[in-house]
Amino acid sequence: DQQVKQNSPSLSVQEGRISILNCDYTNSMFDYFLWYKKYPAEGPTFLISISSIKDKNEDGRFTVFLNKSAKHLSLHIVPSQPGDSAVYFCAASPNAGNNRKLIWGLGTSLAVNP
Amino acid sequence: DADVTQTPRNRITKTGKRIMLECSQTKGHDRMYWYRQDPGLGLRLIYYSFDVKDINKGEISDGYSVSRQAQAKFSLSLESAIPNQTALYFCATSAASPTQTQYFGPGTRLLVL
Repeated sequence: DQQVKQNSPSLSVQEGRISILNCDYTNSMFDYFLWYKKYPAEGPTFLISISSIKDKNEDGRFTVFLNKSAKHLSLHIVPSQPGDSAVYFCAASPNAGNNRKLIWGLGTSLAVNP
Repeated sequence: DADVTQTPRNRITKTGKRIMLECSQTKGHDRMYWYRQDPGLGLRLIYYSFDVKDINKGEISDGYSVSRQAQAKFSLSLESAIPNQTALYFCATSAASPTQTQYFGPGTRLLVL
């Protein structure tokens, strides 16, 4: 059973507009949430993270929002650029002492159209 | 220079052959991981190692084995390759930090005929 869910396999937006990628989770025992970006033929690269005690974290064009009551987080990209076209993975870090392993969503493919 | 390297980048092999994928890192991390990616299935954990003497099975370890030769090296072996092991394979590393941020290699594309 998936503990981290990205329910939209794909998303298409126009250049300059906002991209919103969503992620839901089922376990309340996650300490951190992370977003990764993956281009074809490359490994995933870390993008941004948020602690479970925060509700927002911003880094340039990328902002992650966390709604703990809804067990939902979202990644906002403003403004979207064609170079943002990639697969985005949501991941969660459990607070299981020292034996943490990231739990991954299945990814959302973002296409930013010029 | 890349912090996490994987060799080979591409490999074609035949059913029944033994192959090894290698991973090296210069980040000084204790923790290393092997994942495979299949279309629509995201990243699935094969094996992970939290230090040189620690090896753990992930969610899909059957048909695979690993060796942690040193802090910087973690290799993945397919003892007898089968076609459904055709996939993209990624190595990753992390420090023992609360976020568990992982850093990935460029991947190995494996085709088993």
